[in-house]
Amino acid sequence: SQKIEQNSEALNIQEGKTATLTCNYTNYSPAYLQWYRQDPGRGPVFLLLIRENEKEKRKERLKVTFDTTLKQSLFHITASQPADSATYLCALRSSGNTGKLIFGQGTTLQVKP
Amino acid sequence: AAGVIQSPRHLIKEKRETATLKCYPIPRHDTVYWYQQGPGQDPQFLISFYEKMQSDKGSIPDRFSAQQFSDYHSELNMSSLELGDSALYFCASSRDSLSYNEQFFGPGTRLTVL
Repeated sequence: SQKIEQNSEALNIQEGKTATLTCNYTNYSPAYLQWYRQDPGRGPVFLLLIRENEKEKRKERLKVTFDTTLKQSLFHITASQPADSATYLCALRSSGNTGKLIFGQGTTLQVKP
Repeated sequence: AAGVIQSPRHLIKEKRETATLKCYPIPRHDTVYWYQQGPGQDPQFLISFYEKMQSDKGSIPDRFSAQQFSDYHSELNMSSLELGDSALYFCASSRDSLSYNEQFFGPGTRLTVL
């Protein structure tokens, strides 16, 4: 079955450094992959979408890469700030045409001032 | 900009009671998704509707049912509630007429079953 894995251990970094989060998937060939941010008790907020024919996507301080050979996506936050502290979820659109998302378990990022 | 609206935001019920959660999608969005997120878990897909018809079904118990109305709002009905149903329930909407599937999530309903 389709499976998504994110590093379940929290990532603690110093303000100003680059945070790198990993998303690996198996038994799946998604047309695209998405990253969401979730704060405690709140709904996921869409950040970036990257298609299978795109190697890299950028938005302000965010960068996502997508390696369909390795079946892996990397999510980078450059010049990290304490306000970036949250849980980041990787999501794949399930096979078929209904659009439902399959989420990874998320990685919690803590940026220390 | 208008966002997805969910009500109520918090709900406390006893075991075996019934609960109804409501979702109002972003205007002109034709697809609604329901997800359940337990403590420390990732969101799990329950059910979705496209143009008022059920489009997909996930790990939704038979005790739960849902529908999408003519104004595109959706309701999730949960009966014979169990302690394990305590979770955050998110509704998300999207315009599936687009080639990608960015989903906009609501603030969620926190259901507590005592």
